[in-house]
Amino acid sequence: EAGVAQSPRYKIIEKRQSVAFWCNPISGHATLYWYQQILGQGPKLLIQFQNNGVVDDSQLPKDRFSAERLKGVDSTLKIQPAKLEDSAVYLCASSFPPARDRESRTGELFFGEGSRLTVL
Amino acid sequence: KQEVTQIPAALSVPEGENLVLNCSFTDSAIYNLQWFRQDPGKGLTSLLLIQSSQREQTSGRLNASLDKSSGRSTLYIAASQPGDSATYLCAVRLKGAQKLVFGQGTRLTINP
Repeated sequence: EAGVAQSPRYKIIEKRQSVAFWCNPISGHATLYWYQQILGQGPKLLIQFQNNGVVDDSQLPKDRFSAERLKGVDSTLKIQPAKLEDSAVYLCASSFPPARDRESRTGELFFGEGSRLTVL
Repeated sequence: KQEVTQIPAALSVPEGENLVLNCSFTDSAIYNLQWFRQDPGKGLTSLLLIQSSQREQTSGRLNASLDKSSGRSTLYIAASQPGDSATYLCAVRLKGAQKLVFGQGTRLTINP
């Protein structure tokens, strides 16, 4: 079974430029997440989609970050304009929605390799 | 607001030792807890998932326990090997939500 695919793996840009990251979740996973991981910290949720609807974007800096999942499969995360503090790894994850009658391995998240962004 | 803390931030032990990584969380109303491994420059690999109704899960040399009432989980690694060197992250899924809240991780180094 193919895992979560992300691209590009690495990106270096200057501040005030724009960048876009792409994610293809595991087939059949309705829920998709974008996390930001700054060096030395745990991942922080930016946005969560259920199919193509947004469930949680409370920590997304909406003045510069945007994300979409138009057909309920692939997703794109965009940053415009980028700031120095946006340097981080952007992780995409996917999962099945939790099923109330399942006990084991329900709601497990699977992560991609991440996209490392360096803003100069 | 759920907060997840992992202690210690870094740990270095000789090969062959058994070790315990700790994770604590402030809100016991969780759906499940997941332990991940992260190698440098890589994404997160799921190790173990414990549902809120369970007390522990085992996979090979790994054993994770969950005590919801005290807001704690431990990851036990038996007979550690240099290949176990990585950052270990715990994350809790909140009831009524699907997102994971992560700790900051424990960076583990196993010395040959």
